[in-house]
Amino acid sequence: GAVVSQHPSRVICKSGTSVKIECRSLDFQATTMFWYRQFPKQSLMLMATSNEGSKATYEQGVEKDKFLINHASLTLSTLTVTSAHPEDSSFYICSARGDRESSPLHFGNGTRLTVT
Amino acid sequence: GQNIDQPTEMTATEGAIVQINCTYQTSGFNGLFWYQQHAGEAPTFLSYNVLDGLEEKGRFSSFLSRSKGYSYLLLKELQMKDSASYLCAPLEGNYQLIWGAGTKLIIKP
Repeated sequence: GAVVSQHPSRVICKSGTSVKIECRSLDFQATTMFWYRQFPKQSLMLMATSNEGSKATYEQGVEKDKFLINHASLTLSTLTVTSAHPEDSSFYICSARGDRESSPLHFGNGTRLTVT
Repeated sequence: GQNIDQPTEMTATEGAIVQINCTYQTSGFNGLFWYQQHAGEAPTFLSYNVLDGLEEKGRFSSFLSRSKGYSYLLLKELQMKDSASYLCAPLEGNYQLIWGAGTKLIIKP
């Protein structure tokens, strides 16, 4: 079945630095990918919708200049957390769907970001 | 507006059956997904219903009633590894999944 690969699985960085997270669809083409953030014991929160070849669509309250999204190909989307702060520490998860209506949303394994 | 209602937490016994209910209100409804999420991990796909009725897949079954805005996930022969959160996610349009907080299922021996 469809597989989404996300890397890295864990990252610890210092405050003020930037972190890039990669999301790849391994056996299907994904024109649209989604980036979520999840804080402990809370539900998934959609941050942005990543569209291949065009600008991402950000949800209300998500800073586009802080969370840079690049969807350069049909199989790769990246999320860069710029000038990270401790409050950005969270679990970031990407996902992608196949092209059919019944295609489920498949998730990457997530990236646990800790900003010190 | 959008609204998803699931119980916050449920407890069941190993080997038993449990039903997790979900009611929803969305616009442009295009089916409903159920996902399982273990603590500290990403969600994994369980089922997708777009037509009314019951879809059975091994120990897990999912039911949908579009007219009632209601779905349930039925888990049989519960195992300890089934302890997880179960997320009901209606699909709006082609890509927009609406997420609730999920139901935390605790399995006791």
